[in-house]
Amino acid sequence: EAGVTQSPTHLIKTRGQQVTLRCSPISGHTSVYWYQQALGLGLQFLLWYDEGEERNRGNFPPRFSGRQFPNYSSELNVNALELEDSALYLCASSLGQGLYNEQFFGPGTRLTVL
Amino acid sequence: AQSVTQPDIHITVSEGASLELRCNYSYGATPYLFWYVQSPGQGLQLLLKYFSGDTLVQGIKGFEAEFKRSQSSFNLRKPSVHWSDAAEYFCAVGLNRDDKIIFGKGTRLHILP
Repeated sequence: EAGVTQSPTHLIKTRGQQVTLRCSPISGHTSVYWYQQALGLGLQFLLWYDEGEERNRGNFPPRFSGRQFPNYSSELNVNALELEDSALYLCASSLGQGLYNEQFFGPGTRLTVL
Repeated sequence: AQSVTQPDIHITVSEGASLELRCNYSYGATPYLFWYVQSPGQGLQLLLKYFSGDTLVQGIKGFEAEFKRSQSSFNLRKPSVHWSDAAEYFCAVGLNRDDKIIFGKGTRLHILP
C-alpha cells in the first residue's frame, strides 16, 4: 500500500512569489493535515481538511490557504512568500477525523525562499 | 496558552544505555498525548499514544512512556538504545478528540558507539 506522497520534493522561490504544494493521502483516508517544520521550531500545525471541508486552522496568516479535492488529495498555497516561510512542509493523512485516527506523514516538501 | 515543552534540545547516550526523554504540557485537563520519531529519510512515525486508562503505554521499537498527571508529564523511555534510535523525537498533545495536534520543538538523540 502506498504511503502519503508529496510533490515536489524540493522547491526554490523568491520573496513575493506564490507556491503550491501537493499531497496525496493514503488510499481510503479522508483527512489531510498540513504542518510547517521550520528550523528549531518543531512542527507547527497549519491546516486540517476532512471530506473536502476545512476543519481547523493554525495560527498562520491568510496567505496560507489550501483545499481538498473530491479524491481527498490536497493543495497548500502560500502567497507573497517571505524568507521565514523557508521550511519543510509536511502532509499527513488519517482514516477519519479525530485524534483516535493515527496520522501518517509524507516525506515533505522542502521550500527555500531567497 | 496551551503548550508542549521538551526541555532537552539534544541528548547523547551510549549504545546499550537507558534513555529518558522529557515532555511537559500545560493544559487544564488531561490531553491526548503522543510521541513521534523523525528519522532521516524515513519521515515522521508514531511511536505511541495515550488517551486514557493505564498510565504506562507501550509503543513500537521497544519504547514506552508514562503519563504522570501530577507532574503534567509524558516522558519517553527505552531500557537499552540501539544506534538506529538516533533521530529526532517529538512529543505532541491534543486537547480533545477533534482538536489539532500541537507538537513540541523536539529532542535530537545522538548515540555513541
